[in-house]
Amino acid sequence: GAGVSQSPSNKVTEKGKDVELRCDPISGHTALYWYRQRLGQGLEFLIYFQGNSAPDKSGLPSDRFSAERTGESVSTLTIQRTQQEDSAVYLCASMPTPYAGQAPYGYTFGSGTRLTVV
Amino acid sequence: AQSVTQLDSQVPVFEEAPVELRCNYSSSVSVYLFWYVQYPNQGLQLLLKYLSGSTLVESINGFEAEFNKSQTSFHLRKPSVHISDTAEYFCAVSDRSDTGRRALTFGSGTRLQVQP
Repeated sequence: GAGVSQSPSNKVTEKGKDVELRCDPISGHTALYWYRQRLGQGLEFLIYFQGNSAPDKSGLPSDRFSAERTGESVSTLTIQRTQQEDSAVYLCASMPTPYAGQAPYGYTFGSGTRLTVV
Repeated sequence: AQSVTQLDSQVPVFEEAPVELRCNYSSSVSVYLFWYVQYPNQGLQLLLKYLSGSTLVESINGFEAEFNKSQTSFHLRKPSVHISDTAEYFCAVSDRSDTGRRALTFGSGTRLQVQP
């Protein structure tokens, strides 16, 4: 598509329920990132996918968080047994793979999913 | 590891006035620097970036930022703002030596409120 698409745009869930957030990156973008933005705070890196390589999960805050991506297509971020502290905007971004030695030219972000855990 | 500090959470300014949004970073390695803008109800968009070369970089809509290595700053400026510049602005850095993940470290954002 023309941009990075995220769904749903808003999600309200009860504490303890599981949620699944979806990201559809720009076609051809091999790199995909998930970030979390809590109210009044900067974006926190969660996970990174690059093509068919093993994902970099170093930013996931707990084992309740997981993410999948099939090849270079859609990614889903799953939060199990949601807690109130999981309330945040979850942002997805994608980027083409730069050539060796090429500087990055920035991500393209989706509009995010606003998750509210009540 | 890097960190980014945006000291001002909100900056109110009148239309046609100049504005400066401050960004300071801390890093033990060389970094790339970015400014992203988030307009109401929209996703983050890349505004400008410093990769190498001239320390003064400009965007297409009149913003500019200057990389100051000695002060570890990358302040964003515009000589005359418009109502349409009302948005949240995020400063971010990326480790130059990170040729794999290329993760960004973001500041907490500055909300620019342009008043008529």
